[in-house]
Amino acid sequence: DARVTQTPRHKVTEMGQEVTMRCQPILGHNTVFWYRQTMMQGLELLAYFRNRAPLDDSGMPKDRFSAEMPDATLATLKIQPSEPRDSAVYFCASGLSPQGPYNEQFFGPGTRLTVL
Amino acid sequence: QKEVEQNSGPLSVPEGAIASLNCTYSDRGSQSFFWYRQYSGKSPELIMFIYSNGDKEDGRFTAQLNKASQYVSLLIRDSQPSDSATYLCAVKDNYGQNFVFGPGTRLSVLP
Repeated sequence: DARVTQTPRHKVTEMGQEVTMRCQPILGHNTVFWYRQTMMQGLELLAYFRNRAPLDDSGMPKDRFSAEMPDATLATLKIQPSEPRDSAVYFCASGLSPQGPYNEQFFGPGTRLTVL
Repeated sequence: QKEVEQNSGPLSVPEGAIASLNCTYSDRGSQSFFWYRQYSGKSPELIMFIYSNGDKEDGRFTAQLNKASQYVSLLIRDSQPSDSATYLCAVKDNYGQNFVFGPGTRLSVLP
């Protein structure tokens, strides 16, 4: 069945280490979103792509975060170096474009990141 | 800065009652509105979307939209303990593809 997959599901690392999270969007979807969710900030958009091109990454700390789509079936979010304040659940979501009022987003299960 | 506001709750209702969840948004250009449900430790899942003023019903759920007041709500009739979750309101305009999410309202349905 069609669903967004994310790996790893859990990641514990030490401050300063590089973290890479991966997302496989639903086949045929051409938009991919990265979100971060914490108790304090809620669900924050970090970046999104359409047809593999980055459209908006203004929500992402540029000095340590990077997002890419090397191909249509893989999106990556990298943090280097990681810091304790990066501890959160990172969700990937995918959807369809062109623009429409009711294009929904389908969420993956998330990656729970803990930076010690 | 586009903002979406929700009462964080928790909102507690007895089983069988109507739960009413509210959301306000700041951007008058917003065109479509989504309600997501998120169980603890899980990812958000779409319950309903609405883009015309008025009511939209789907089973026990009714979404209500008032664009003039910049207000959208979700009513859950005959609430069940399984409805206990956080409900996220999301708003999108027709020009961007991204959603702006509210902070969510935690609903607790008491048996």
